[in-house]
Amino acid sequence: DMQLTQSPSSLSASIGDRVTITCRPSQSINGYLNWYHQRPGEGPKVLIYATNLLKSGVPSRFSGTVSGADFSLTIASLQPEDVGIYYCQQSYNTLYTFGQGTKLEIK
Amino acid sequence: EVQLVESGGGVVQPGRSLRLSCAASGFTFEDYAMHWVRQVPGKGLEWVAGLEWNSRRIVYADSVKGRFTISRDNAKNSVYLEMNGLRSEDTALYYCAKDKDGSSFTGSYFDCRGQGTLVTVSS
Repeated sequence: DMQLTQSPSSLSASIGDRVTITCRPSQSINGYLNWYHQRPGEGPKVLIYATNLLKSGVPSRFSGTVSGADFSLTIASLQPEDVGIYYCQQSYNTLYTFGQGTKLEIK
Repeated sequence: EVQLVESGGGVVQPGRSLRLSCAASGFTFEDYAMHWVRQVPGKGLEWVAGLEWNSRRIVYADSVKGRFTISRDNAKNSVYLEMNGLRSEDTALYYCAKDKDGSSFTGSYFDCRGQGTLVTVSS
């Protein structure tokens, strides 16, 4: 079964910091990797799809990249509303899977 | 603005059935594939089922295949999840989700714009 391993599982950063979260799939996914943000009491919202495409309406401080087998989500300058849990998800095949999540807090 | 309003959750005994509904607004519903995603409170996300804009292709997670049925009514801008043979492990918050387009399940994403509806399976 396809697995996505996210790191770190949690992190704490200051307003204005550059933050990076990584996701490594257990198999090749041909770039079909999406990123989500979930705030408490809300459903997960799409930020980035297909590795690096910014969903309409999402602030430009969010970006997605890939290097080798590692996919990354970067927040260029952390804002207070960015707290919550971030998930990666693969859609290479219909055995869709999510990463275990990264909890982001403000220092 | 995209809005998805889920309803139909509740407490149900193991083996019984429940039907969830999702009312969509703020976009052209018939142009998009739709999905259900669930989350045990405080835990991670699990995709459950999805169907194309015209219901021609329907896919399920192995964990619910043969027990759950997803359907849609484009005239009512609604998607449904019929859940039969419920088990304790089906206890979760169920979200309705909008895909990025109408029919390609490769590259799909699940944009959850609602609060979810809680299903609790317990005797």
